[in-house]
Amino acid sequence: GAVVSQHPSRVICKSGTSVKIECRSLDFQATTMFWYRQFPKKSLMLMATSNEGSKATYEQGVEKDKFLINHASLTLSTLTVTSAHPEDSSFYICSARVPPAGTANNSPLHFGNGTRLTVT
Amino acid sequence: AQKITQTQPGMFVQEKEAVTLDCTYDTSDPSYGLFWYKQPSSGEMIFLIYQGSYDQQNATEGRYSLNFQKARKSANLVISASQLGDSAMYFCAMREAPNSGGYQKVTFGTGTKLQVIP
Repeated sequence: GAVVSQHPSRVICKSGTSVKIECRSLDFQATTMFWYRQFPKKSLMLMATSNEGSKATYEQGVEKDKFLINHASLTLSTLTVTSAHPEDSSFYICSARVPPAGTANNSPLHFGNGTRLTVT
Repeated sequence: AQKITQTQPGMFVQEKEAVTLDCTYDTSDPSYGLFWYKQPSSGEMIFLIYQGSYDQQNATEGRYSLNFQKARKSANLVISASQLGDSAMYFCAMREAPNSGGYQKVTFGTGTKLQVIP
């Protein structure tokens, strides 16, 4: 079953408004979550690493004031696209890594189902 | 520099046949992990298989196997007995050792679109 829940799956908003996307880890605590953006027929680009209780770490070229990330609890991270514009239309997908047992380093990223944002 | 390279933008395979999806990577870290994910048209990312840089044997998960050639820095995915439901985008990804900030980034390739023909 799904271990990461993302909501909403699809949102249409008007230019200039803000949109909040939620990412929840189910049945495990995620001190770190990752937000990716995917353009049509393109790969996933890491936008930022969300850290519980501290500031997010943004990748180069990602505007932190535009893409606000809040990791308020061990099971919830939110991405808010502020003052959205049509160029922000994209597929946003979050992920978390289920804590590995022992020293195992093979735990994969588990992804939410993504949010398709359309800004009109 | 591109860290994960998938040179096949699209592939076709006959149902019940095997298919190999190519992936090469670039890293100077001795410790890293390689993953393959499947993304159907619905958008979700489904984890398929993992290979660690120190693993001696090639990883296998059901119909999926990873042809790991460390010296060549390649980690090709082999899907045996293809099914119509295997039609999807397939992404190769690499996790490197933690950086100075303690984060282990996962970098994705550009993907290969696989279409299974009945």
